[in-house]
Amino acid sequence: EAGVTQSPTHLIKPSGQQATLRCSPISGHTSVYWYQQALGLGLQFLLWYDEGEERNRGNFPPRFSGRQFPNYSSELNVNALELEDSALYLCASSSAETYYEQYFGPGTRLTVT
Amino acid sequence: AQSVAQPEDQVNVAEGNPLTVKCTYSVSGNPYLFWYVQYPNRGLQFLLKYITGDNLVKGSYGFEAEFNKSQTSFHLKKPSALVSDSALYFCAVRPPGRRALTFGSGTRLQVQP
Repeated sequence: EAGVTQSPTHLIKPSGQQATLRCSPISGHTSVYWYQQALGLGLQFLLWYDEGEERNRGNFPPRFSGRQFPNYSSELNVNALELEDSALYLCASSSAETYYEQYFGPGTRLTVT
Repeated sequence: AQSVAQPEDQVNVAEGNPLTVKCTYSVSGNPYLFWYVQYPNRGLQFLLKYITGDNLVKGSYGFEAEFNKSQTSFHLKKPSALVSDSALYFCAVRPPGRRALTFGSGTRLQVQP
């Protein structure tokens, strides 16, 4: 069974621009979660999508947004990039069958210059 | 609000010795508890979870964790450490009715040969 996949592996963008990160969940999983792992700040919850809808978001500004497609893959968009957005962005997916335990992808390393 | 504390930034142990990585939590109700491991430049790998039932939970790679409700703790243990266990370990809690995980700050485990 293929795990959660994320692309790209690395992304370098100048401040002020937009970044788009992509995630494909494990087959059969309908929920996708996004987390930010920034140096010194630990892992913080960003967004949760389920069945195509945003269900919950963490304490992040609106320039962090995303969507979930009919095939349950997801996209995270970060607008007006700031230097402090530099972080590892982790995507996870879950299903009801395993008490919603979350399985993580390898992450996208975003560097804002 | 929920929180997770991992009081040790780093734990050092000799190969073959038992290891313990500590975690305490603060959350209303009966939470779901998780341990994840992160190797360098990788995403998080699921180790084990506590949902309900037996307080001793067994997981991947010989790890186990003991849930103690009165002490609100969920310490990770392994009877005999391996050098390959050296990694960053995260404890996480999911409050009842919520999907987002709240993570501890992580504990770096260093196993010396």
